[in-house]
Amino acid sequence: EADIYQTPRYLVIGTGKKITLECSQTMGHDKMYWYQQDPGMELHLIHYSYGVNSTEKGDLSSESTVSRIRTEHFPLTLESARPSHTSQYLCASAGTSGSYNEQFFGPGTRLTVL
Amino acid sequence: KNQVEQSPQSLIILEGKNCTLQCNYTVSPFSNLRWYKQDTGRGPVSLTIMTFSENTKSNGRYTATLDADTKQSSLHITASQLSDSASYICVVSDRGSTLGRLYFGRGTQLTVWP
Repeated sequence: EADIYQTPRYLVIGTGKKITLECSQTMGHDKMYWYQQDPGMELHLIHYSYGVNSTEKGDLSSESTVSRIRTEHFPLTLESARPSHTSQYLCASAGTSGSYNEQFFGPGTRLTVL
Repeated sequence: KNQVEQSPQSLIILEGKNCTLQCNYTVSPFSNLRWYKQDTGRGPVSLTIMTFSENTKSNGRYTATLDADTKQSSLHITASQLSDSASYICVVSDRGSTLGRLYFGRGTQLTVWP
């Protein structure tokens, strides 16, 4: 299993709270990604980064924001959580060399907003 | 439009039996196709990756096939085990961007009964 970590694994919070989902990788990968996945549905790309100080929005519009101050760290923040943000959030990373730009996924954070 | 379609949506088999999962895609230009296994509440883990020139690739009891002409792939699981119960996701990568954009299917939910 790849060395990519996400915390917390599960989070239940009330509407209006600010939350940060953590993602860290120890593989020195330049590219990092955030995906959102609802039950029985495909993964949707919401943010990605080519490297430090690089962040871009993905295919699925999201009210969350990300930052990439360090290579190994790619946190996702929701300033004011709403029930519509309830979902599973998956972080992934990929190197610029090696086979096929393979993405390695973290275990995910299951977010529930009440 | 780049799409990945998987069938069946769900499948129940008895332990020890074989099964085959299907994937059709329209992603172009094609780079590679991957099969991931995603356990409930976990991130996807790569099983196989195939490029245009590869027809078959095996990983233990998992054998993936690719027909790049018809844009179809299959994942065959031999002698299923209870631990094979998971969602199997077909993912196709295009050659059109340095991002390594991935297109995800919705997955086939496999349940193996004792």
